[in-house]
Amino acid sequence: DAKTTQPNSMESNEEEPVHLPCNHSTISGTDYIHWYRQLPSQGPEYVIHGLTSNVNNRMASLAIAEDRKSSTLILHRATLRDAAVYYCIPQGNSGGSNYKLTFGKGTLLTVNP
Amino acid sequence: DSGVTQTPKHLITATGQRVTLRCSPRSGDLSVYWYQQSLDQGLQFLIQYYNGEERAKGNILERFSAQQFPDLHSELNLSSLELGDSALYFCASSGSGQPNEKLFFGSGTQLSVL
Repeated sequence: DAKTTQPNSMESNEEEPVHLPCNHSTISGTDYIHWYRQLPSQGPEYVIHGLTSNVNNRMASLAIAEDRKSSTLILHRATLRDAAVYYCIPQGNSGGSNYKLTFGKGTLLTVNP
Repeated sequence: DSGVTQTPKHLITATGQRVTLRCSPRSGDLSVYWYQQSLDQGLQFLIQYYNGEERAKGNILERFSAQQFPDLHSELNLSSLELGDSALYFCASSGSGQPNEKLFFGSGTQLSVL
């Protein structure tokens, strides 16, 4: 599994954009980059995933570096409900043990009112 | 609501005992995953089933076993429980269990071993 490096914690203010970085320098060419988040006392929740191009959905945007060694999850306007641990997870596409998602320690995002 | 149902929500038991955790996947999902979350180890993948068959195995102890039944619900059996088995156990499901599918997680079972 590709190793990831994320800040332990980040802080943001409500209504402001948040950029959550992730380094995954050992990612292979076929690994997708997934982002999940875990709100307090809940199970993880899918946020977004992508391979090479930037991706957008109703929750967030994912910006992937051209060399794919890093990515950034962008929350365009943080709300109090976005306070959670955010996990960046490279996942292989070739089957076998790559079916599993390997969660690291993630980034704890605090949103101030 | 993710559509994944886990029961019970809380379980308190003693060392040496055996417990069964139950998971009902989202309607139509064929694949089930089990994860363990403890304070010191984070979220650890245990095992994955697809349509009744084991598909991938992670850091699952020999004292733990799981199965997926014909109606696609899954059970995780934990035996000879130790204090260190106290954790949150999550079940997740996905459509066909292929890489890059979204996983939908349940709200977990909190196991306390005293």
